[in-house]
Amino acid sequence: DIQMTQSPSSLSASVGDRVTITCRASQSIGSHLNWYQQKPGKAPKLLIYAAYTLQSGVPSRFSGRGSGTDFTLTISSLQPEDIASYYCQQSYSFPRTFGQGTKVEIK
Amino acid sequence: QVQLQESGPGLVKPSETLSLTCTVSGYSISSGYYWGWIRQPPGRGLEWIGSIYHSGGTYYNPSLKSRVTLSVDTSKNQFSLKLNSVTAADTAAYYCARDPNPRSGYDYWGQGTLVTVSS
Repeated sequence: DIQMTQSPSSLSASVGDRVTITCRASQSIGSHLNWYQQKPGKAPKLLIYAAYTLQSGVPSRFSGRGSGTDFTLTISSLQPEDIASYYCQQSYSFPRTFGQGTKVEIK
Repeated sequence: QVQLQESGPGLVKPSETLSLTCTVSGYSISSGYYWGWIRQPPGRGLEWIGSIYHSGGTYYNPSLKSRVTLSVDTSKNQFSLKLNSVTAADTAAYYCARDPNPRSGYDYWGQGTLVTVSS
């Protein structure tokens, strides 16, 4: 199975800050990496797929980079509505696997 | 607009079988794609349970494989999850989701249903 490791597990930043979350795969997954946002009590929402493609309707302050084993999700200017947990997920092979999540809070 | 809706009991007794159904609207399951189940214990992260193809092929999480069965009913545009011999560790919000292809991610999700395992 492919293990996905996210860092940090939580972060606190100010409104307007640039925020970066890292996801590492235990083996190469090409660009088969997806990012989700989950707000409390809600289902996850697809933000970015195939490593860097923004899902329709997602604000352009979100961006993704990487390939192989190392990936990043960046929020260029943190907004109050971005408070949520973020998860990476590989879709290179079955079983699908998720990172453990990163909780983003406002400082 | 594609919509998914989970349904099933919110309370299951230990050692019994958890059964959930996901009803899809706005898209015909028989047209293709994988359909998945993901769960999330209270206060914890997401755990992939398994996926089923529209024609019935399945993939399961190895840690749950001995207890999980997925099935699809294209006539009702539904797919289902059965998890047997449940314990308190299976208490979680259960989500169904659409998995179009390896480059797309889970693009549509149900709202989730909380299943509590307790006597």
